Amino acid sequence: GENVEQHPSTLSVQEGDSAVIKCTYSDSASNYFPWYKQELGKGPQLIIDIRSNVGEKKDQRIAVTLNKTAKHFSLHITETQPEDSAVYFCAASKRGAQKLVFGQGTRLTINP
Amino acid sequence: DAEITQSPRHKITETGRQVTLACHQTWNHNNMFWYRQDLGHGLRLIHYSYGVQDTNKGEVSDGYSVSRSNTEDLPLTLESAASSQTSVYFCASSGDRAWGTGELFFGEGSRLTVL
Repeated sequence: GENVEQHPSTLSVQEGDSAVIKCTYSDSASNYFPWYKQELGKGPQLIIDIRSNVGEKKDQRIAVTLNKTAKHFSLHITETQPEDSAVYFCAASKRGAQKLVFGQGTRLTINP
Repeated sequence: DAEITQSPRHKITETGRQVTLACHQTWNHNNMFWYRQDLGHGLRLIHYSYGVQDTNKGEVSDGYSVSRSNTEDLPLTLESAASSQTSVYFCASSGDRAWGTGELFFGEGSRLTVL
């Protein structure tokens, strides 16, 4: 089955700097790659997703890139702000599947 | 507003006891999921359902069961709780049955401690 590896497990950046979180997946049939943000004491929330027919997607300060050949995708956050501090999860799924396989999570801390 | 709620939010139980965690959603979503969250493992799928009377095992289903008697509820039962089942449990739902997956809407989690 699918296996998703996420790095780093923790990341600390200065406010205003950029943060990058990387994930690799094992199943070449996977075609949907969402990113979820989990704030303290809350459930995860979808922040951005990308499908395999697209190489990059942006939404304001966040962007996701996908390299299908290498089977990896990344989350980029620019101009980081204190409210970006959270745990971020990447995930992958196949066409027609309704269940996601999640990475291990990255705890992002934005230092003022 | 539509929502997904879990109860209890916190529970302490003893080894060997039966425990049921409730999950209720008001979006009328067909798909419901139970995940457990453990440090270093991220979110791992326990069971899922695509509709009433449908249940499926996920990657870590041993020791857990679910039932789906209506659209709104997917209770998770630990038949005989073990210390290894100490975790934070998240219920989620989605309404998208098109290709790929739709957005998962998560509850706020249930923290279970098995002593």
